[in-house]
Amino acid sequence: KNQVEQSPQSLIILEGKNCTLQCNYTVSPFSNLRWYKQDTGRGPVSLTIMTFSENTKSNGRYTATLDADTKQSSLHITASQLSDSASYICVVTSNSGGYQKVTFGIGTKLQVIP
Amino acid sequence: NAGVTQTPKFRVLKTGQSMTLLCAQDMNHEYMYWYRQDPGMGLRLIHYSVGEGTTAKGEVPDGYNVSRLKKQNFLLGLESAAPSQTSVYFCASRTGPRQAFFGQGTRLTVV
Repeated sequence: KNQVEQSPQSLIILEGKNCTLQCNYTVSPFSNLRWYKQDTGRGPVSLTIMTFSENTKSNGRYTATLDADTKQSSLHITASQLSDSASYICVVTSNSGGYQKVTFGIGTKLQVIP
Repeated sequence: NAGVTQTPKFRVLKTGQSMTLLCAQDMNHEYMYWYRQDPGMGLRLIHYSVGEGTTAKGEVPDGYNVSRLKKQNFLLGLESAAPSQTSVYFCASRTGPRQAFFGQGTRLTVV
């Protein structure tokens, strides 16, 4: 069972609108959470990374939030552009006894239309 | 600085054939990884390396072998390809616990 669940699976929004993508995880013990953007046919590219003590992290029009208590994260995209069309992947890392495990979500496929 | 480069970008194999995927990074990263990405599933770790001359199994290592003879290169081998190995393969590298850099991917089809 994938311990990183993302919602929605897919989303279509109009250019210029805002949107929020969700990531819930059960991975434990938590080390960090990352959001990646993956364009079709390309490799994932890092957007943000947050550790336990960080509640929010911004990267241009992308703002990620983290609630480590409820084990939820969101990625908010402001004033969407056509180039934001991509899959957004939530990745959670756990670290126990020096052993690191990285769990990838399936991703949310975002399509921005004119 | 090219980042992470994977070759080839596309390949079609017949069942039972062998091949090697090459991953090269020019960022002097210690850690390198091979993942596969399948529809409806998150990326899954096949094998990884924490330094030159070292390799370790990931989540789905069966049917694959790897080698890290040089720090900048991480090779993924399929000795006898099976249709279940049809997938998109991504290589990644990083240094420290932070950002990982991914290659462009290799789309492999086994018929």
